[in-house]
Amino acid sequence: QKEVEQNSGPLSVPEGAIASLNCTYSDRGSQSFFWYRQYSGKSPELIMSIYSNGDKEDGRFTAQLNKASQYVSLLIRDSQPSDSATYLCAVHTNAGKSTFGDGTTLTVKP
Amino acid sequence: DTAVSQTPKYLVTQMGNDKSIKCEQNLGHDTMYWYKQDSKKFLKIMFSYNNKELIINETVPNRFSPKSPDKAHLNLHINSLELGDSAVYFCASSQDPAGPLGETQYFGPGTRLLVL
Repeated sequence: QKEVEQNSGPLSVPEGAIASLNCTYSDRGSQSFFWYRQYSGKSPELIMSIYSNGDKEDGRFTAQLNKASQYVSLLIRDSQPSDSATYLCAVHTNAGKSTFGDGTTLTVKP
Repeated sequence: DTAVSQTPKYLVTQMGNDKSIKCEQNLGHDTMYWYKQDSKKFLKIMFSYNNKELIINETVPNRFSPKSPDKAHLNLHINSLELGDSAVYFCASSQDPAGPLGETQYFGPGTRLLVL
């Protein structure tokens, strides 16, 4: 079992729709969870971090964390073509390192 | 002013050669990392240094040797380059992996290595 798994994608949504990206992790002791966005040919950049169970909203982005289910998700409301990118889930474990998922590529069609 | 910088941006070389990639961060962070991202976009950690000391060394061939002359710099030297080393190598830094802010990482622009 991979330490961090993301829905494999690619994911395609129409402009204005909600995009839902999912991530599960295996280390129950993990404390910090991050979503990075990576445009093609560019480096990853942080868009959301979440540490507590529940929802965290930032503009059109909402991160959801459920530690009991070992599940973290990212919702993008009112998706725009500029949201088209690969989204990487990262989980910081008690071993002191962040493990990245394999990424989900999102395409938002105008 | 670039926060995390890497040189060179592109590197094309022959199998068997030795090459180095340099990384510098001006964020005042204590921890720096090297990641490899292959053609399928999988991002894998290779090494992590905290204040010049190696703290993470994933199962990377010993042809790869990181060096941290000070906490703002982390270089990667690769001996006897192989075709499978072709990838994008990202340097990153973070403030305090054990701190309350977790481990937000700031990535450099990447070095695109092609081994022929």
